[in-house]
Amino acid sequence: DTGVSQDPRHKITKRGQNVTFRCDPISEHNRLYWYRQTLGQGPEFLTYFQNEAQLEKSRLLSDRFSAERPKGSFSTLEIQRTEQGDSAMYLCASSQGDSTYQPQHFGDGTRLSIL
Amino acid sequence: AQTVTQSQPEMSVQEAETVTLSCTYDTSESDYYLFWYKQPPSRQMILVIRQEAYKQQNATENRFSVNFQKAAKSFSLKISDSQLGDAAMYFCAYRRGDKIIFGKGTRLHILP
Repeated sequence: DTGVSQDPRHKITKRGQNVTFRCDPISEHNRLYWYRQTLGQGPEFLTYFQNEAQLEKSRLLSDRFSAERPKGSFSTLEIQRTEQGDSAMYLCASSQGDSTYQPQHFGDGTRLSIL
Repeated sequence: AQTVTQSQPEMSVQEAETVTLSCTYDTSESDYYLFWYKQPPSRQMILVIRQEAYKQQNATENRFSVNFQKAAKSFSLKISDSQLGDAAMYFCAYRRGDKIIFGKGTRLHILP
């Protein structure tokens, strides 16, 4: 069990640029979640996948955001035309099975800074 | 809509003492789960303890225990024999279905 891995750890980019983050869940976990955490706040749910299917998206996920999990393993989160308000920590989590009792295991996150 | 409120932005406790972090939540559901997560500085979030709403018995994990008051919608975390490694942000979280709602967190300082 190598844990949930996120890449990159930090991303600095200019406003208007596109960025893409990657998340590798724990290998046997079929569920994968994306959260956004801004300074002084708890994580906010963005979206989640069960295998390759994206089952729910938050209203926080504007049209500039897109997430994929093409083979049911790793996932990518892309933000197009970044804005200052996108600066945050983006957290990925994974869990196993269908039970809502199964805990989510979090990665270290990708910290995005928009100049 | 479900909300989670942590009214203590920061707390401090002397090493080896006991501290209680408060959490209240709002929901109209009867079946849900509650969690406390710990996020050390620059490190990943880890699960500390969890509680099923249908269980009346309070969950306990070593030095960590909860006081779950379902009618009052209160879910506090007690840390006994505080250690330096307990210093972190602590998030209370509510889960129903696949969505977890987090509170804003309480930053816990451990005083040596």
